[in-house]
Amino acid sequence: EIVLTQSPATLSLSPGERATLSCRASQSVSSYLAWYQQKPGQAPRLLIYDASNRATGIPARFSGSGSGTAFTLTISSLEPEDFAVYYCQQRSNLWTFGQGTKVEIK
Amino acid sequence: QITLKESGPTLVKPTQTLTLTCTFSGFSLSTTAVGVAWIRQPPGKALEWLALIFWDDDKRYSPSLKSRLTITKDTSKNQVVLTMTNMDPVDTATYYCARSLWPYYFDFWGQGTLVTVSS
Repeated sequence: EIVLTQSPATLSLSPGERATLSCRASQSVSSYLAWYQQKPGQAPRLLIYDASNRATGIPARFSGSGSGTAFTLTISSLEPEDFAVYYCQQRSNLWTFGQGTKVEIK
Repeated sequence: QITLKESGPTLVKPTQTLTLTCTFSGFSLSTTAVGVAWIRQPPGKALEWLALIFWDDDKRYSPSLKSRLTITKDTSKNQVVLTMTNMDPVDTATYYCARSLWPYYFDFWGQGTLVTVSS
């Protein structure tokens, strides 16, 4: 099973700041990695797929990069609605999720 | 418009079998490259993928839960059913179904249904 490790567990930032979230895979997943956003009481929303492709309707301030075992989700300038939990997920070998990074208001 | 909705019991007793139904609209599971997955989330914890069924009836299961899970589809009813045997309190979670379209990420999700396992 491929294990995804996200860091940090919590990121405390202010609106307008840049957020950088990390996801590391226990073995190479090529570019088969996605990022999801989840707000309290809601289902996750697909943000990025295949490491760097924005899903339909996702604002340009969200970007993804990386390949192999190291990936990054960047939010260029945090909007109030971006404070949430973010999960990475691989589909290289079945499907697994990371443990999440909470982006909270500082 | 694509929608998915989970239904089933909210409370099950330990050792019982859980049966959940995902009813969807706006797409067909007979269309090539379409799949429907089940994913769960214990309260306050991370997401866990459970199972996925493809348009051609191919099925994949989480290795850690494979012996307890069965996923089936009824294309005519636009439904996918997940059964999980021998339920335990650690299986208490919100259970989501989600569409998976090539390249097989989860692009549309249901609202989720909370299942509590308790005697």
